[in-house]
Parts: sequence; C-alpha cells; structure tokens
Amino acid sequence: GAVVSQHPSRVICKSGTSVKIECRSLDFQATTMFWYRQFPKQSLMLMATSNEGSKATYEQGVEKDKFLINHASLTLSTLTVTSAHPEDSSFYICSARTSDRGLRSNQPQHFGDGTRLSIL
Amino acid sequence: AQKVTQAQTEISVVEKEDVTLDCVYETRDTTYYLFWYKQPPSGELVFLIRRNSFDEQNEISGRYSWNFQKSTSSFNFTITASQVVDSAVYFCALNLYNFNKFYFGSGTKLNVKP
Repeated sequence: GAVVSQHPSRVICKSGTSVKIECRSLDFQATTMFWYRQFPKQSLMLMATSNEGSKATYEQGVEKDKFLINHASLTLSTLTVTSAHPEDSSFYICSARTSDRGLRSNQPQHFGDGTRLSIL
Repeated sequence: AQKVTQAQTEISVVEKEDVTLDCVYETRDTTYYLFWYKQPPSGELVFLIRRNSFDEQNEISGRYSWNFQKSTSSFNFTITASQVVDSAVYFCALNLYNFNKFYFGSGTKLNVKP
C-alpha cells in the first residue's frame, strides 16, 4: 500500500533553533499534503494544507511565519518550525493523498509516523 | 459546520470482552467519508477503515466491525474478544468529498487489561 515517510521521528533541540520536518510519499504522487499537530492526550489539529507548487493554506490561528511549509515536488513537503520555543513542543504528523478523488476509490489519506519535537 | 464527537474519553475492559467505541458526526454535506484510525503509544496512525456516505452496509474485518447509520449520524466501531494489543487511542474522522480537510474526534483511549 501507499507509504508516507516522515523524518525525523524525534527531535530535541534548544530554544531558538529552527527545525525542519520532511514528509515524503514513497510510492505515489501526492498533490496535496497535510500537516497536523497533536498535543498530549488530545486530538489531531490540522495546521495547514500543502499543495504542490503553490502556497500552503493555513488554518485559523496558525502562524504562517512560524510554521513554514514548502511543497516543492509531488513527493515532498517540508514543515519548518522557525525559532522554536518550548510551547512548540508537540507531535507533528503529516499526511498525503493522491489526486484520485473518485468517490468509489479505496485510497484513504496516508499518514506519516509522526515527529516528536521537544524544545528545551 | 463539521464536527466529530467521541463521547467516550477512556474505556477499560478485560481481555476477551467486546467493546464498542462510539462516533457521532455532524455535517450538512451529503457526500463524505468516515474513517477510523488507531494510534498506539508509539504515535503513528494506523488506518482501519474508510466508509463513504452512500454505503451504509456494515462491515466486518476479523474481530473488528463497524456500524454506520446515517439516520443517527453514527459510525460506531466494535472490537470483539478484545486483546491487550488492542490498547490504543482510536480516532474517528470525517472527510468531506469536496474538501481535503479531515475533522478528527477527540479520540477514545482503550485499555485492555489481561
């Protein structure tokens, strides 16, 4: 089945550092990728929708300058947390879907394994 | 507006018991998808099932079964003869056909004790 690879799986870094997280679709072309954030014991909250070759669409309340998203190719989207602070510590998950929008399709949105970000 | 409600925050059962996880959704759209995902302690999301709004047939996959009822806007998930390995957080999610956005419920933590 379709695989989405997310790297790194865990990051620990000092406050003020910028951290880049990669999301790759390994065996399919992902025209759209999504970035979610999950606080401990909470649900996944969509941060932004990333479309290949265009600017990402951010959800209300998400700082565009803080969370930079780039979707330069059909298989790669990156999330950069700029000047990270302890409150940015969270579990970040990406997902990707193909361009197939057929109602009868059995292609679900595929999730990466997540990145646990800890800012000291 | 879209919303997914998982009223059960946490459920504890003893191994081999059956357990049902509830999911109620709200949407005015007539075309949508419903999903269940499992999130073990390691964090990754494991896809369990996707159901489109036109298909109300219940589905069984091994020990898992799903009951989709549009009349009550519910998409409940039952695990039969639960096992310790079923312990995880389970998320129900709604995806509108014309939009990419997923609406996740708050999740239900299932603890299966030996």
